[in-house]
Amino acid sequence: NAGVTQTPKFQVLKTGQSMTLQCAQDMNHEYMSWYRQDPGMGLRLIHYSVGAGITDQGEVPNGYNVSRSTTEDFPLRLLSAAPSQTSVYFCASSDWGGRTGELFFGEGSRLTVL
Amino acid sequence: DAKTTQPPSMDCAEGRAANLPCNHSTISGNEYVYWYRQIHSQGPQYIIHGLKNNETNEMASLIITEDRKSSTLILPHATLRDTAVYYCIVTDSWGKLQFGAGTQVVVTP
Repeated sequence: NAGVTQTPKFQVLKTGQSMTLQCAQDMNHEYMSWYRQDPGMGLRLIHYSVGAGITDQGEVPNGYNVSRSTTEDFPLRLLSAAPSQTSVYFCASSDWGGRTGELFFGEGSRLTVL
Repeated sequence: DAKTTQPPSMDCAEGRAANLPCNHSTISGNEYVYWYRQIHSQGPQYIIHGLKNNETNEMASLIITEDRKSSTLILPHATLRDTAVYYCIVTDSWGKLQFGAGTQVVVTP
């Protein structure tokens, strides 16, 4: 199993540009989520999904859209990037049904908005 | 307000036990204590979690006080690869974790 795969690993955008961060997991996990981590700080939850077709907002959802059309994929869209969205983005997944409490994180996508 | 309080940093000698404290005096009855760690900006890694009983797995032990207002994560034999930021998280919803600043643990030879 590859686990949680995030692409791209690095991205530089100009203010106002749009892009999509991809997240895929091959563990058949129902739960997936996106976090962002700013320098020297802990992670903050952006959006999450408990299954295909179901998404909900986390702590800092503004400026981001998500969708969950399949169990495997949970893309994060930035419609109009702003410098405040410069951050490291982490995708995570878990076996919601198992309720083990263990989140599996990807390696992160480092985004810089100029 | 933060739900947990952790020391910002601590050092540990390689091969010795590392005891990481966490205060969570406002924890409610249905909230669990979770520990994750993050090695050098990689994605966080789950370590252990518990409700009120002490827990042990292959990575660590979690000791929760009887009043549940504090806990200690124990790494029994610290190695250099255990150098990381350790996060103590209290939550009733394991999918919505709130990460604080954590404790930067440095294991020295």
